[in-house]
Amino acid sequence: AQKITQTQPGMFVQEKEAVTLDCTYDTSDPSYGLFWYKQPSSGEMIFLIYQGSYDQQNATEGRYSLNFQKARKSANLVISASQLGDSAMYFCAMRKINTGTASKLTFGTGTRLQVTL
Amino acid sequence: DVKVTQSSRYLVKRTGEKVFLECVQDMDHENMFWYRQDPGLGLRLIYFSYDVKMKEKGDIPEGYSVSREKKERFSLILESASTNQTSMYLCASSLPSSGIYGEQYFGPGTRLTVT
Repeated sequence: AQKITQTQPGMFVQEKEAVTLDCTYDTSDPSYGLFWYKQPSSGEMIFLIYQGSYDQQNATEGRYSLNFQKARKSANLVISASQLGDSAMYFCAMRKINTGTASKLTFGTGTRLQVTL
Repeated sequence: DVKVTQSSRYLVKRTGEKVFLECVQDMDHENMFWYRQDPGLGLRLIYFSYDVKMKEKGDIPEGYSVSREKKERFSLILESASTNQTSMYLCASSLPSSGIYGEQYFGPGTRLTVT
């Protein structure tokens, strides 16, 4: 079974500062993908960034980067230069890859980020 | 752009009622999913479908059923709504997971209150 742990229920960061949201995972599958989603107060889930278990480099997408440490089973999200619009709930998720059928996402419990002036 | 729509943003139903939540996607995705989201628990998978008329149980299927008669539409059914089914319900769709990404696209959610 797969498990995602997000230990920070809430975080505060000042505008223009960087922030790291923690995510650790547990799986026995050799091939897996890690995802981060953002959920603003409006409710929709927005895909941010993806990291494959065999990817050699950490994923980056604009101001988002994923600090992937495979041996420690961690996949922390780093947001640089925080903006007020980054205030939202953030979810880490994982799934098997190359299974040949619909592969389920397992989500963590989320971290609520609040960006302050 | 991928679009996933859900029939209602807010819904209030009485205990014992049969409730239908509808989800439609316009990107010809094979896979569709229903989650419920509760504070402190994250998103939990109720059911998913990888093809028309095909369905599989997720982690918390009890009290729910689903229907997928057409590729673009995936319905979640609460046969007899109970107060513990008050929650936010999110629908998602994706391409088959043979692709490395298999990114799921989500609808806006339906906040269901059962009184």
